[in-house]
Amino acid sequence: EPEVTQTPSHQVTQMGQEVILRCVPISNHLYFYWYRQILGQKVEFLVSFYNNEISEKSEIFDDQFSVERPDGSNFTLKIRSTKLEDSAMYFCASSSTLGGNSPLHFGNGTRLTVT
Amino acid sequence: GQSLEQPSEVTAVEGAIVQINCTYQTSGFYGLSWYQQHDGGAPTFLSYNALDGLEETGRFSSFLSRSDSYGYLLLQELQMKDSASYFCAVRSSYIPTFGRGTSLIVHP
Repeated sequence: EPEVTQTPSHQVTQMGQEVILRCVPISNHLYFYWYRQILGQKVEFLVSFYNNEISEKSEIFDDQFSVERPDGSNFTLKIRSTKLEDSAMYFCASSSTLGGNSPLHFGNGTRLTVT
Repeated sequence: GQSLEQPSEVTAVEGAIVQINCTYQTSGFYGLSWYQQHDGGAPTFLSYNALDGLEETGRFSSFLSRSDSYGYLLLQELQMKDSASYFCAVRSSYIPTFGRGTSLIVHP
């Protein structure tokens, strides 16, 4: 069964450094998402992406964040200058349509630790 | 804005039936989804309700009452492997918004 893959599984970085989290969505999916989950808390929406542009973003997704689909397979999340509070599990997801019964398929996540 | 409420933890014994409730407040509504997450792994989709009533998928069922802004996930014949976090997620736009999750602990 096709799956969403994310790399790396764990990233440790120092405060103020830039990080890029990488995702390969399911190949025939058109809608891509980033969510994050601070340890033990809820899964929070960051941004959605369709047709090479951001379709929606949350208030968490400020100027420090950016997303890109540099080629036909990868979908990246960049954090320009990491803060301690950016430490979280970051999940990439994709879906085939925007319909409610089209589920989000999540990757296994990247655990980001900012020291 | 949107808000979802679900219990933080539910415990049950193997073989039992458990119901996880979710109430929501949202300005628009397209449907309610349920996701399962084991030990911080990837959330996986379980079910989706757009209309009132019960949807059954094997041992899992999900119910929605739009007039009450309420839904639940029903797990039957509980197994140890069902120990996980369960999130309800509401679609008020194209983007699902997740609740805080319910940790289900299944005891032998």
